[in-house]
Amino acid sequence: QKEVEQNSGPLSVPEGAIASLNCTYSDRGSQSFFWYRQYSGKSPELIMSIYSNGDKEDGRFTAQLNKASQYVSLLIRDSQPSDSATYLCAVIGAAGNKLTFGGGTRVLVKP
Amino acid sequence: DADVTQTPRNRITKTGKRIMLECSQTKGHDRMYWYRQDPGLGLRLIYYSFDVKDINKGEISDGYSVSRQAQAKFSLSLESAIPNQTALYFCATSDLRGGGYGYTFGSGTRLTVV
Repeated sequence: QKEVEQNSGPLSVPEGAIASLNCTYSDRGSQSFFWYRQYSGKSPELIMSIYSNGDKEDGRFTAQLNKASQYVSLLIRDSQPSDSATYLCAVIGAAGNKLTFGGGTRVLVKP
Repeated sequence: DADVTQTPRNRITKTGKRIMLECSQTKGHDRMYWYRQDPGLGLRLIYYSFDVKDINKGEISDGYSVSRQAQAKFSLSLESAIPNQTALYFCATSDLRGGGYGYTFGSGTRLTVV
């Protein structure tokens, strides 16, 4: 079992719609959770972090965390073509010493 | 200048050759990491270092070695390159907290082994 799992996609959404991305993790002691956006050939860019159960909103992005279910999600509201990218879920496990990434979900926003 | 600089940006090398990828940073961070990215596999950790005297293997260290020459420099070597080491390589740094906010990535090195 991979430590951090994501659906690879592509997730195709029309412009203006909500994109919903999911991530599960195996280390029950994990405390810190992140979403990175990565454009093709570029380095990852941090867009959201979440540490407590519940929702966290930042502009058009909402991260949701459910530690009991070992599940973290990202919602992108009013999706724009510029949101077309790969979104990487990343987790710092119980040991707290390194960031582990999922395989990424590719999102395509169609005008 | 970039906070984390990787050289070279692109490299094509032949099977069996030794190659070194270099990373330098001006962030003043103690922790440095080397990740490898293959399509659909996200970023996988190769090696990490929490200070000059500390080197740790990541999940895919076989076939790689590293050197932490100074707080600001962390090099990755492929002693005898093979085609399945063709990938995009990222160096990253973080502060003592090690949290996602503290990670700064370099621009990446695209390595092709033929």
